[in-house]
Amino acid sequence: GAVVSQHPSWVICKSGTSVKIECRSLDFQATTMFWYRQFPKQSLMLMATSNEGSKATYEQGVEKDKFLINHASLTLSTLTVTSAHPEDSSFYICSAEPGQGNEKLFFGSGTQLSVL
Amino acid sequence: AQSVAQPEDQVNVAEGNPLTVKCTYSVSGNPYLFWYVQYPNRGLQFLLKYITGDNLVKGSYGFEAEFNKSQTSFHLKKPSALVSDSALYFCAVRSNTGKLIFGQGTTLQVKP
Repeated sequence: GAVVSQHPSWVICKSGTSVKIECRSLDFQATTMFWYRQFPKQSLMLMATSNEGSKATYEQGVEKDKFLINHASLTLSTLTVTSAHPEDSSFYICSAEPGQGNEKLFFGSGTQLSVL
Repeated sequence: AQSVAQPEDQVNVAEGNPLTVKCTYSVSGNPYLFWYVQYPNRGLQFLLKYITGDNLVKGSYGFEAEFNKSQTSFHLKKPSALVSDSALYFCAVRSNTGKLIFGQGTTLQVKP
């Protein structure tokens, strides 16, 4: 089956620093990738839709300047948490769809971000 | 607005017994419904989906789900639970724009 690789799996950083998370589709091209945020024992909240070659579409309440998304190629999307603060600590998950209308998303293994 | 509800925060079942994890949905038009499983500190793994066709959908690891249009439900089932099935389960519906809308999640605890 299709594989989505997410890196790093966990990261600890100091408050005020920026952290970049990568999401790669290893064996398929993904024109669209999705970024989610998950708090412990809670559901996934969609943050933004990443579109290859164009600007990301952010959900209401998600700060564009805080969570920078770059989808520069058909196999790579990155999420950069800028000037991270402790309240940004969370589990971030990406997903990708292999082609249009496949109706199934494949998820990365997630990134646990801890901001001290 | 499209939404998904999982009314149970946790389901406890003994190993070998049948299990059911409930899901109801609200969507305009024909629903695209999914079940995903999440193990601790991991991403989501696809279990099964309903797009069209038979109301009983069979998926990975012996799971199945029944689509019931009149009750707007898509309950996840398994005839005989395993301890290794213990995880967090999410029901999801795909919106018109392609986004997945997730339910709150249900923790399944299977005890030996």
